[in-house]
Amino acid sequence: GAVVSQHPSWVICKSGTSVKIECRSLDFQATTMFWYRQFPKQSLMLMATSNEGSKATYEQGVEKDKFLINHASLTLSTLTVTSAHPEDSSFYICSYASFAGGPSDNEQFFGPGTRLTVL
Amino acid sequence: AQTVTQSQPEMSVQEAETVTLSCTYDTSENNYYLFWYKQPPSRQMILVIRQEAYKQQNATENRFSVNFQKAAKSFSLKISDSQLGDTAMYFCAFMRVAGNLIFGKGTKLSVKP
Repeated sequence: GAVVSQHPSWVICKSGTSVKIECRSLDFQATTMFWYRQFPKQSLMLMATSNEGSKATYEQGVEKDKFLINHASLTLSTLTVTSAHPEDSSFYICSYASFAGGPSDNEQFFGPGTRLTVL
Repeated sequence: AQTVTQSQPEMSVQEAETVTLSCTYDTSENNYYLFWYKQPPSRQMILVIRQEAYKQQNATENRFSVNFQKAAKSFSLKISDSQLGDTAMYFCAFMRVAGNLIFGKGTKLSVKP
């Protein structure tokens, strides 16, 4: 399957600061990717869908001005948590989706996740 | 709206035995995909198996197989010959037309030696 990397793998920041998380597809190009959030001992919840070259689509209840998503290329998407607060502490996971046909069609490839702790 | 329900928060099984994890879902769509993902302590999401709704034949991947009942909207995962490395959280997921996944709450599986 495709390889997806995330950076950083974990980050600790002070309340009020901004944190940028990068998600890279290392071996294929994808027009669509997704950002999920996972609180401790809970499931993954979709935050937003990111399309290369256009604005991201946010799920209900997710503040687009707080969670800035940039999908500037087919291999890189970034999530910036602005003015982070302790309640933003969570595990953030990106995934790329393949819809181009082939054996991996309609499969999602997940990054290893980023653990964010806001003090 | 689509929903995915996993009614077993935790399960345990003895090594080498068989265990079945339950999943039901709700959708009005006719064509879709269903998945089982494994999340070990590393938290990396690993695809276990997937099923296309238009295929009647149940998917199998080595020791993993599913029982897909479309009319009942049921999608259970059977793990045969359980191994210690199977210990993980297991998430059932439904793929929407938009491509993103809707996950169930997960089942924590413990394989005991």
